[in-house]
Amino acid sequence: AQKVTQAQTEISVVEKEDVTLDCVYETRDTTYYLFWYKQPPSGELVFLIRRNSFDEQNEISGRYSWNFQKSTSSFNFTITASQVVDSAVYFCALEFQTGANNLFFGTGTRLTVIP
Amino acid sequence: DAGITQSPRHKVTETGTPVTLRCHQTENHRYMYWYRQDPGHGLRLIHYSYGVKDTDKGEVSDGYSVSRSKTEDFLLTLESATSSQTSVYFCAISESRGLADNNEQFFGPGTRLTVL
Repeated sequence: AQKVTQAQTEISVVEKEDVTLDCVYETRDTTYYLFWYKQPPSGELVFLIRRNSFDEQNEISGRYSWNFQKSTSSFNFTITASQVVDSAVYFCALEFQTGANNLFFGTGTRLTVIP
Repeated sequence: DAGITQSPRHKVTETGTPVTLRCHQTENHRYMYWYRQDPGHGLRLIHYSYGVKDTDKGEVSDGYSVSRSKTEDFLLTLESATSSQTSVYFCAISESRGLADNNEQFFGPGTRLTVL
């Protein structure tokens, strides 16, 4: 069964703190893609990153970094020096093969950055 | 930003009435999707399209139908709206799907539908 778990429902941090959002996935497939999306208070969903299962290199984009570890089936997202504008709900997602239901979203983590 | 618009952005309707939501894209992407977002459930796929007149069911398709007569437009219809269909509906597009490059989905701004 395919599943994405974001165990942290809500996180609050003070501005400038670092924060890590956890994502654990389950799949029997050896080939798959992982994604992170951001949903700010305005409601739209913003694509952040895509990673395929063969690329375990960590990625950094400005204050954002992603740590992909196949050994623990995790794809964690770290925001360094958080800012108020980072306040949003963040979704992790797994896409594994062609077919009708091949993209699974986690239930999201609501991040609140307190000024 | 991907050129995706949804209309209407907000709608309040009564149980039993038909409702049609429209998604329009200017990116010429092949794949289009309709999701609903509900608290505690994340996003769930309703239907998707892999080309003009080509559609398939998603995880929660009961009570919904779709049509795609043009590449740029994907319509979601609730034939007879029920209170359980109160939700936020998102349209998404992608160039490819599954295990392929450019398979990331880009989302529209959403439509908030309330069924009384």
